[in-house]
Amino acid sequence: DARVTQTPRHKVTEMGQEVTMRCQPILGHNTVFWYRQTMMQGLELLAYFRNRAPLDDSGMPKDRFSAEMPDATLATLKIQPSEPRDSAVYFCASGLVLGLRTEAFFGQGTRLTVV
Amino acid sequence: GDSVTQMEGPVTLSEEAFLTINCTYTATGYPSLFWYVQYPGEGLQLLLKATKADDKGSNKGFEATYRKETTSFHLEKGSVQVSDSAVYFCALMGSNYQLIWGAGTKLIIKP
Repeated sequence: DARVTQTPRHKVTEMGQEVTMRCQPILGHNTVFWYRQTMMQGLELLAYFRNRAPLDDSGMPKDRFSAEMPDATLATLKIQPSEPRDSAVYFCASGLVLGLRTEAFFGQGTRLTVV
Repeated sequence: GDSVTQMEGPVTLSEEAFLTINCTYTATGYPSLFWYVQYPGEGLQLLLKATKADDKGSNKGFEATYRKETTSFHLEKGSVQVSDSAVYFCALMGSNYQLIWGAGTKLIIKP
């Protein structure tokens, strides 16, 4: 049963530390999304990739966040330095975009707490 | 730009009640429309989808019809169960291949 895998599931870190979240998209999918979910803001798109190339990262604070896809099986989201306001659940999703007949498959998320 | 508006929650119903969660959208062209469900502590899961006007998506007793004339994609279920308690998101994928999300509607079903 193909699924998107995110690690770690939970992360508690101190302010100022670097945090790296990893995502393994479903094999064969050509699009990867990174979302952040908070009670206040709901679901926010941070970045997305098509065929490993970043298409849009306008939702991401550039000074501290970075997203990469070093290969087709791994997407990373890094925060350096982390701040308490970064506490949220971060979701990765992947999809196969062929025209509009597509959907996104979500991982279970990484719950980040910055203290 | 494209947008999705769905009814605010929480929506609280008794078991076996009829459910409607409203969703309307604005988009250029012909977007695909989706309903996702998020159970506590989980990621979002696709519940149903429709890719063209008058299509009806259905799954697990839930249904939604793509109404282009009213730009709507309302979610319905004839008889809800306690296990349906979750947050429901309406979304569209438009011409730029981005998913545009509604704010989510929390559904609470009481036994």
